[in-house]
Amino acid sequence: AQSVTQPDIHITVSEGASLELRCNYSYGATPYLFWYVQSPGQGLQLLLKYFSGDTLVQGIKGFEAEFKRSQSSFNLRKPSVHWSDAAEYFCAVGAGSYGKLTFGQGTILTVHP
Amino acid sequence: DAGVIQSPRHEVTEMGQEVTLRCKPISGHDYLFWYRQTMMRGLELLIYFNNNVPIDDSGMPEDRFSAKMPNASFSTLKIQPSEPRDSAVYFCASSFRDSKNGYTFGSGTRLTVV
Repeated sequence: AQSVTQPDIHITVSEGASLELRCNYSYGATPYLFWYVQSPGQGLQLLLKYFSGDTLVQGIKGFEAEFKRSQSSFNLRKPSVHWSDAAEYFCAVGAGSYGKLTFGQGTILTVHP
Repeated sequence: DAGVIQSPRHEVTEMGQEVTLRCKPISGHDYLFWYRQTMMRGLELLIYFNNNVPIDDSGMPEDRFSAKMPNASFSTLKIQPSEPRDSAVYFCASSFRDSKNGYTFGSGTRLTVV
């Protein structure tokens, strides 16, 4: 069975600084990988996804993520954080023909002015 | 498409009452998921359906919880009787075919049981 670990429960950055949120997965084959964002009081919104091809994927809101098979990682990055990026971020992994995703515990991002 | 539609957005009920949460998935999606989110336990998968058939309900906490999907465009999650510890945000999500497509989430129903 697949699993996802987000090592950082809470990260604080200053506005304009770069951001990297970590995600490690466990799965025997090539997984489907996702990053979702949840703003306060809202549902989860898909930021980006990877399932094959170029290992660097671009998403909405200026985010990108890189799939590194050797490290079983799919870290989310943004070069310059905006105050509106403050939210909770979830990494998720899917496997093969099953429709079910496994979500990480989430990382809360706080942005200081 | 209007996305995944959940109703109501907020529900406040007294302990012991029956609560029904509703979800309309995106047209054409064949998977439907019910999640519960709390501060203490995070995001928990309760049950999911494929082509209206329940596939895995191992996350349903107790017999007080039940879910149905009578057709491809409607699902309900019922709690009877409700308890204060059921207070949470309940999300519905749908997806098309395999997990490669990811989920589309609804805006959630915030349930408060007093």
